[in-house]
Amino acid sequence: DQQVKQNSPSLSVQEGRISILNCDYTNSMFDYFLWYKKYPAEGPTFLISISSIKDKNEDGRFTVFLNKSAKHLSLHIVPSQPGDSAVYFCAASAPMTSGSRLTFGEGTQLTVNP
Amino acid sequence: DGGITQSPKYLFRKEGQNVTLSCEQNLNHDAMYWYRQDPGQGLRLIYYSQIVNDFQKGDIAEGYSVSREKKESFPLTVTSAQKNPTAFYLCASSNDRLSEKLFFGSGTQLSVL
Repeated sequence: DQQVKQNSPSLSVQEGRISILNCDYTNSMFDYFLWYKKYPAEGPTFLISISSIKDKNEDGRFTVFLNKSAKHLSLHIVPSQPGDSAVYFCAASAPMTSGSRLTFGEGTQLTVNP
Repeated sequence: DGGITQSPKYLFRKEGQNVTLSCEQNLNHDAMYWYRQDPGQGLRLIYYSQIVNDFQKGDIAEGYSVSREKKESFPLTVTSAQKNPTAFYLCASSNDRLSEKLFFGSGTQLSVL
């Protein structure tokens, strides 16, 4: 049962344009969402997050939007740069009394062409 | 230079053999985690530890074992009971047990000979 899904395995955009990466979830208990970025042969690194009490969070070129009613979130990168080419993982967590139990999506490979 | 170090980068396992993946962190983080990544799938949690000498099973713990004798170290043993061990293994840590912001190592690719 895949509770967090990234339906696009890959996305290709031109440098300078907007990249939109999508993520859907099924568990209504999820209340915190994160995006991680992963380069080849490296571990994922935290990029941006959003709490369920918000519908938007912005950090420089990166903005995450959350639509709770649709159980959907998206990551916007504007403008896209070749260095943004990486695999992006969406992750979600539900309130717990102990431990961090992130559920990850399958990842989307973003390629930004010069 | 703080971070998480995983070794080896590549590891090969023979049938019936146990192998141990190393994970060391110098971030002074309390919580540590092991994830497994298979092609086309998200990261799945194997084991996690919130404090020294304590650990809990994640979603796919069968065939794996861990120990947490020191704060800095969280080794993962892939036992012969794990019938499909070929995967990319990622170790992570966080600075408190409720933090979702994980810091990851660079991973170990385990393959079966």
